[in-house]
Amino acid sequence: GENVEQHPSTLSVQEGDSAVIKCTYSDSASNYFPWYKQELGKRPQLIIDIRSNVGEKKDQRIAVTLNKTAKHFSLHITETQPEDSAVYFCAEANYGGSQGNLIFGKGTKLSVKP
Amino acid sequence: DVKVTQSSRYLVKRTGEKVFLECVQDMDHENMFWYRQDPGLGLRLIYFSYDVKMKEKGDIPEGYSVSREKKERFSLILESASTNQTSMYLCASSLLATGEQYFGPGTRLTVT
Repeated sequence: GENVEQHPSTLSVQEGDSAVIKCTYSDSASNYFPWYKQELGKRPQLIIDIRSNVGEKKDQRIAVTLNKTAKHFSLHITETQPEDSAVYFCAEANYGGSQGNLIFGKGTKLSVKP
Repeated sequence: DVKVTQSSRYLVKRTGEKVFLECVQDMDHENMFWYRQDPGLGLRLIYFSYDVKMKEKGDIPEGYSVSREKKERFSLILESASTNQTSMYLCASSLLATGEQYFGPGTRLTVT
């Protein structure tokens, strides 16, 4: 079945450094790749997403890149701040195919040390 | 602003009890979802619904059922709660099947 591998499971960086989280997927028909952020004790919230017709998308300090050939996509956070500390989930879906639901990765706990 | 609410933040039930978890969204979304969140396992889809009275199994439906009698309300039912169903349960809704999912605050269920 469909599978999303997310690495690393934990990531610790110094404030101001960059953080990169990578996900790989198995379904070559996947066409939607969102990233959700879940702060401690709060609900997951969408922070950025990308569709398969583009290779990169940026929103201020966060960016997502997609490599369809290698079937992986990554979240990049630059100039990290303590408020970036959270668990980040990648997800993928094949919208328009037989399985149109999001498949989530297991999550990455990011800690930004001041 | 989209609002997804869940009936309880914390719930403690005994083994064998029937448990109802309620989710309500106020944005006229077609799609609603129930997930289970466990440490190290991420978010796993239990059931989803694309329309009133419609339901589809997700990845881990065993031991659960759902009900969607009204568009804004999606209920998760544990017919006979077991200790391995102790978990955080998250409801979500989305306008489009391909769109952003808005999550509720979660219900932390403990089965003793």
